[in-house]
Amino acid sequence: GGIITQTPKFLIGQEGQKLTLKCQQNFNHDTMYWYRQDSGKGLRLIYYSITENDLQKGDLSEGYDASREKKSSFSLTVTSAQKNEMAVFLCASRQYFGPGTRLTVL
Amino acid sequence: SQLAEENPWALSVHEGESVTVNCSYKTSITALQWYRQKSGEGPAQLILIRSNEREKRNGRLRATLDTSSQSSSLSITATRCEDTAVYFCATDANTGYQNFYFGKGTSLTVIP
Repeated sequence: GGIITQTPKFLIGQEGQKLTLKCQQNFNHDTMYWYRQDSGKGLRLIYYSITENDLQKGDLSEGYDASREKKSSFSLTVTSAQKNEMAVFLCASRQYFGPGTRLTVL
Repeated sequence: SQLAEENPWALSVHEGESVTVNCSYKTSITALQWYRQKSGEGPAQLILIRSNEREKRNGRLRATLDTSSQSSSLSITATRCEDTAVYFCATDANTGYQNFYFGKGTSLTVIP
């Protein structure tokens, strides 16, 4: 079976910082996703990619950049962290999700 | 606005009882998925049901789909404490499996 690894597990940043989250998968899947999960709001799609070097915006892409330089990896950048922001960022490869990165902005 | 919505928002049952979570959605779909998310983990897919299917089973889980009323249900029989989790439905909104839109989830607690 495959595995999805997300790093870091916890990320603490300061307002205005640029923060990068990484995701690796060994399923050899083409399609990967980044979702944001806020308490009480379910999962919202930020970006997805259907193959290496492809990027598609989701409903929540403003304030984020993404990169898919290799088939196995998909990274997400928060371009300017918002004060008091707290959320979990979930990476998925097809229907399989990683454990998430928990972001806190001070 | 939400393309998929689960109800109820939360429920609790005693171990061994059966439970059903419902989902309503707003657009035509190619497929609908049910996920379970335990505390501190990412969601795990339980069942994917295609628009031409009416029922799908996976062990103690049974999903139904009614495209005419744009609704789905997930039933769990003989619940166990480890079924305690948030349950989400997610539809592809006819994107052909490219995007899935999640509801806010139903929080299920199974009481020993």
